[in-house]
Amino acid sequence: AQTVTQSQPEMSVQEAETVTLSCTYDTSENNYYLFWYKQPPSRQMILVIRQEAYKQQNATENRFSVNFQKAAKSFSLKISDSQLGDTAMYFCAFYDTGRRALTFGSGTRLQVQP
Amino acid sequence: EAGVAQSPRYKIIEKRQSVAFWCNPISGHATLYWYQQILGQGPKLLIQFQNNGVVDDSQLPKDRFSAERLKGVDSTLKIQPAKLEDSAVYLCASSLMVGSGGNTIYFGEGSWLTVV
Repeated sequence: AQTVTQSQPEMSVQEAETVTLSCTYDTSENNYYLFWYKQPPSRQMILVIRQEAYKQQNATENRFSVNFQKAAKSFSLKISDSQLGDTAMYFCAFYDTGRRALTFGSGTRLQVQP
Repeated sequence: EAGVAQSPRYKIIEKRQSVAFWCNPISGHATLYWYQQILGQGPKLLIQFQNNGVVDDSQLPKDRFSAERLKGVDSTLKIQPAKLEDSAVYLCASSLMVGSGGNTIYFGEGSWLTVV
């Protein structure tokens, strides 16, 4: 079974600065996808960024980028120019094509300070 | 495009009572998921449907939880009888294609359940 570990329960960053959220996973699969979701207090899960395991190039979406290290099974999220609206829970999630569902980590609570 | 709709948004019940949650996925989405998210934890998959068939219900507590997806569209998740530990947010999600991680999984706003 796949496991996803987020070792930082809480993080804080000053507005306009950069922060990196860590995620590691364990799998024996070779074909899979990795996601970062944002969950504000409303509890709706919002997709932030997606990475295909077969792609070596790191995914980027505006201020959000990932550092995908397949051999190390590491998938960190970097948020540049942090904004107050980035304050939320962030979940790392693993999708394997066999099970066809997401396995989530325990989340990191990010607080952006003005 | 309308998102994943869920109702009710909030529900408070006493233990041993029953409750039902409804989900309407995005139009045309074949795959539907129910996740349970206990406070302070990540979501955990309860059941996954492909059209109106169950793909995975290995983590569904079948002695008290049931779910159906009639006609391959709407879905209902029922809990009977509820226990205190069932207090959680129940998230419904859907995706377009069968078994393809390349498709985004879209989530609803969730149904908050408090069992007292």
